[in-house]
This record gives sequence, structure tokens and C-alpha cells, in this order.
Amino acid sequence: DTGVSQDPRHKITKRGQNVTFRCDPISEHNRLYWYRQTLGQGPEFLTYFQNEAQLEKSRLLSDRFSAERPKGSFSTLEIQRTEQGDSAMYLCASSRAGLTSGIEQFFGPGTRLTVL
Amino acid sequence: GIQVEQSPPDLILQEGANSTLRCNFSDSVNNLQWFHQNPWGQLINLFYIPSGTKQNGRLSATTVATERYSLLYISSSQTTDSGVYFCAVELANDYKLSFGAGTTVTVRA
Repeated sequence: DTGVSQDPRHKITKRGQNVTFRCDPISEHNRLYWYRQTLGQGPEFLTYFQNEAQLEKSRLLSDRFSAERPKGSFSTLEIQRTEQGDSAMYLCASSRAGLTSGIEQFFGPGTRLTVL
Repeated sequence: GIQVEQSPPDLILQEGANSTLRCNFSDSVNNLQWFHQNPWGQLINLFYIPSGTKQNGRLSATTVATERYSLLYISSSQTTDSGVYFCAVELANDYKLSFGAGTTVTVRA
């Protein structure tokens, strides 16, 4: 039984570069979520997918951010033209899809991004 | 959006002590989860508890949904219990978790 995995675990980049993160959800989980956590704060929602459809995006997700889940399995989160304010832990979570909301979410280990 | 308040913000315990962490939320929810964030940043699921009471070893949790609060109890604390504890809630048909600011627990030997 494998949990949610994320790659890379750490990323250091220079301001202005593009970065891409990958998340592999628990198998048979068809909902996938991205959250961002800055130092000393709780995680904040960015976006979520049900299968390959991106159903909601937060206002935090500026036009420099794009997320995909092309085949309804793994997901990628890309940040273009990174800024120092993008430095954070990026967390991925997954859950089963039920008839309603309120399903338990399980989190991956996160990708820690540092923008110099 | 929904407000989630955790108290206290910081808690220092002597090993072996008991403690209670509180989570208040401002609206009706259909999901409430407690997490422990380990030193490497991973969120470990402790309880999925939109209502009622659950126990898992030295940890237990109670959610009183009608009064919009949840409590996490740690008994006979150990140094490995140190870390940040988060409460997160989900509104009906909202699909995303809203987190509190966390309670930082330090257990001293």
C-alpha cells in the first residue's frame, strides 16, 4: 500500500526560472489536490482535480501557475518565472471520490521550493 | 470563507503529561481531520472525525459538530509527540480543506 508520492522533495532555483513538480496519488484515488504552505502557516488550497478535470482553482493560483492531470493519474504543477514569494512547501493530497464531499484526504511528503 | 481557530498556539509539556488541543470553526462542516506535521513537513493523518469520538492509542479526539468545535487529547505525552498539530475542515460540497494555524507542541524529557 503506497501513499501519495511527490518529486522532487527539494528544489532550489533562481528567480525567473520555471519549475515543475510531480504528484502521484494513492492508486484508485480519483481526486487530487494541491496545497501550498509557507513558514509558520497552515496549508492553503490551490486547486483540485476529479479524474482529469480541474474543478476549482484558488485565487492564490496566479497565471504563472498551471496544473495538469492529463490521464487522471499523476499530476504536475508548473510555476513559470518564479519569484522569491513562491518559496514554500507544495503539498499534494488525494482522496476517493464519493457521492458527496467530506472524504478523507491523504497527503504526500511535499516539495520544498526555495527561490533565490 | 470558513474560519478555523486553534488554541493554544504553543504548548510546552513535560513528558508524561496530558494535554488538550482545541479547534473552533465558524460554519457547519462535513469533514474534519487532525494532522501531525513531522519535522520533514509531511502531514500525518491522526483522525478523520466530522462528528463523534475516536481513540487511537494515547490519542483521542471528539468533535461536537452542533457546537462547532473539536478537541484532540494527548495522554502520557512522549518526546516523539512534539511537532505541529493541525485541524482542517471542509464545508459541505466544498471539496477543499481549510486549515487552522496549528498548535506547536514541545514535549520535554
